[in-house]
Amino acid sequence: AQSVTQLGSHVSVSEGALVLLRCNYSSSVPPYLFWYVQYPNQGLQLLLKYTSAATLVKGINGFEAEFKKSETSFHLTKPSAHMSDAAEYFCAVSDHNRGSTLGRLYFGRGTQLTVWP
Amino acid sequence: ETGVTQSPTHLIKTRGQQVTLRCSSQSGHNTVSWYQQALGQGPQFIFQYYREEENGRGNFPPRFSGLQFPNYSSELNVNALELDDSALYLCASSREVGRESYEQYFGPGTRLTVT
Repeated sequence: AQSVTQLGSHVSVSEGALVLLRCNYSSSVPPYLFWYVQYPNQGLQLLLKYTSAATLVKGINGFEAEFKKSETSFHLTKPSAHMSDAAEYFCAVSDHNRGSTLGRLYFGRGTQLTVWP
Repeated sequence: ETGVTQSPTHLIKTRGQQVTLRCSSQSGHNTVSWYQQALGQGPQFIFQYYREEENGRGNFPPRFSGLQFPNYSSELNVNALELDDSALYLCASSREVGRESYEQYFGPGTRLTVT
């Protein structure tokens, strides 16, 4: 079965500091992994995805994530936080190999990122 | 290229009523998935429609039902509303090629409040 655990429901950083949002997954098949961002009163926007190619994945807005199979992790990082990065971030794993359902997503509970000036 | 749109934006219903939420998928997409996001939680998969048929269902009761139309737009229907149905309902569309589904693109959601 697929599942995602996001460590830390709230993360606060100063503007210009490193952003690190943690995600660990459980999957019975080689995973496809995603990070989504959600701004207040909006839907989800895809930041980046891992689909078994390069283990270091670069996304939009300067974010990147590294797939580490041995640690079952897919942590999201950004070298320098901006005020505009304040939002909720969701890690998700897909069950793309499970026959009937085409890419059902299993989400973590989310991490709220606050950026202080 | 038009993105995923949902209507209405907000909705207030009374317990026991029925509600229909609508979703228009992104151009070129043939698969629609619905998710429920309760306050403070991650989205939970309700079901998916592919070529007008239900193609997988999450742990939701039968009073949650849906349709997909020939233009790939979709409806989510919820009967006998309960207070716990209050949530943001997200629609996501994707393009299936072979047996692979590419990334899902989400709409802005419909905020349902049940009183």
